[in-house]
Amino acid sequence: ETGVTQTPRHLVMGMTNKKSLKCEQHLGHNAMYWYKQSAKKPLELMFVYNFKEQTENNSVPSRFSPECPNSSHLFLHLHTLQPEDSALYLCASSQDEQGAYEQYFGPGTRLTVT
Amino acid sequence: AQKITQTQPGMFVQEKEAVTLDCTYDTSDPSYGLFWYKQPSSGEMIFLIYQGSYDQQNATEGRYSLNFQKARKSANLVISASQLGDSAMYFCAMREGSGGGADGLTFGKGTHLIIQP
Repeated sequence: ETGVTQTPRHLVMGMTNKKSLKCEQHLGHNAMYWYKQSAKKPLELMFVYNFKEQTENNSVPSRFSPECPNSSHLFLHLHTLQPEDSALYLCASSQDEQGAYEQYFGPGTRLTVT
Repeated sequence: AQKITQTQPGMFVQEKEAVTLDCTYDTSDPSYGLFWYKQPSSGEMIFLIYQGSYDQQNATEGRYSLNFQKARKSANLVISASQLGDSAMYFCAMREGSGGGADGLTFGKGTHLIIQP
């Protein structure tokens, strides 16, 4: 257990559905991240939030909509996804201070778009 | 151009042997950090070790050590006395900048390590 939880762990959705992924960290960190891990590709950074403010959007399509209501919670709202969006979605958190560096990852949500 | 290159897609190693996983990186930023993560089949990314670009000594954490060769832009992970539980995907990653901020990591494609009894 790293102190970062993600729900659901598995999700199957149709292209017309709307669903949300949830991430919660119990580490007192102030920065949170969404990454996408597709088969045979490196992890790709999607979004970065620092003190609830989005600081990076790595050219992610608008069908992915992040929300960070506070420093402990991060959501990824999904709508009208494509089959190529099927992947493992990983959430991470870190402490935003000099000298702190590692990101702690959750177990991920395995998403399948049918 | 890839910022993180891991040239070994897969490796088979006998239990108790030492393992070296290769990683080269590319950045023009003088300040950066290098990370290794382990990903078992369960999917969770586990932080192993970190090396800062200004660190004078190679990082070590238990059985893990990082062979940092700055001039060659190389940051290889060495696992001593490998164990069956070390079987997993291993990812090298980089953060550019001096830290103290929320910076995303750039990952390599990973190496699938299998430890054989």
